[in-house]
Amino acid sequence: SQQGEEDPQALSIQEGENATMNCSYKTSINNLQWYRQNSGRGLVHLILIRSNEREKHSGRLRVTLDTSKKSSSLLITASRAADTASYFCATVLQTQGGSEKLVFGKGTKLTVNP
Amino acid sequence: DAGITQSPRHKVTETGTPVTLRCHQTENHRYMYWYRQDPGHGLRLIHYSYGVKDTDKGEVSDGYSVSRSKTEDFLLTLESATSSQTSVYFCAISKFYEQYFGPGTRLTVT
Repeated sequence: SQQGEEDPQALSIQEGENATMNCSYKTSINNLQWYRQNSGRGLVHLILIRSNEREKHSGRLRVTLDTSKKSSSLLITASRAADTASYFCATVLQTQGGSEKLVFGKGTKLTVNP
Repeated sequence: DAGITQSPRHKVTETGTPVTLRCHQTENHRYMYWYRQDPGHGLRLIHYSYGVKDTDKGEVSDGYSVSRSKTEDFLLTLESATSSQTSVYFCAISKFYEQYFGPGTRLTVT
């Protein structure tokens, strides 16, 4: 089953508006990451927030993490048509053997209308 | 983009035929991953590798095998392709917990 679940599944906004996407997860984490995927392309890493951080910024991106609620949000401010993409959250799971793997949610499809 | 390439980029094959997808990286990263992406399912991990000849299963490994004989190459094999394996396959490497993805391979099994 998915570790992370994004909400909403789809979001349509006008250029210049802010877009907020949420992610909930089930187990304890070391960090949570957000990725973007443009249509037909591979995922691109956006930002990583560690479990001891509450908020992190990168350009027009703001990510928050609430470990008590097992949730994170991604805010894109002053959106542009080029932000149209699918956005995924992912959590790192450590296996018993010590290796690491990411578990992705199903994504939020963001459409920014010009 | 961490120098990740995938080949082929597109493939159409018939049910029952073997198929091998290749992932190649140029930066000697230890961890490599194979995912499949399907509508409504997001990205699902098939297999991953944490070193040469060291591999482990992901959540959807049935019907797939992998090999890693060199650090730079991670091969995904469908021994006998089925229509349910029609998907887009992505390879990724891990660098300080962040993953970097290849461009993907679109596989159609008819």
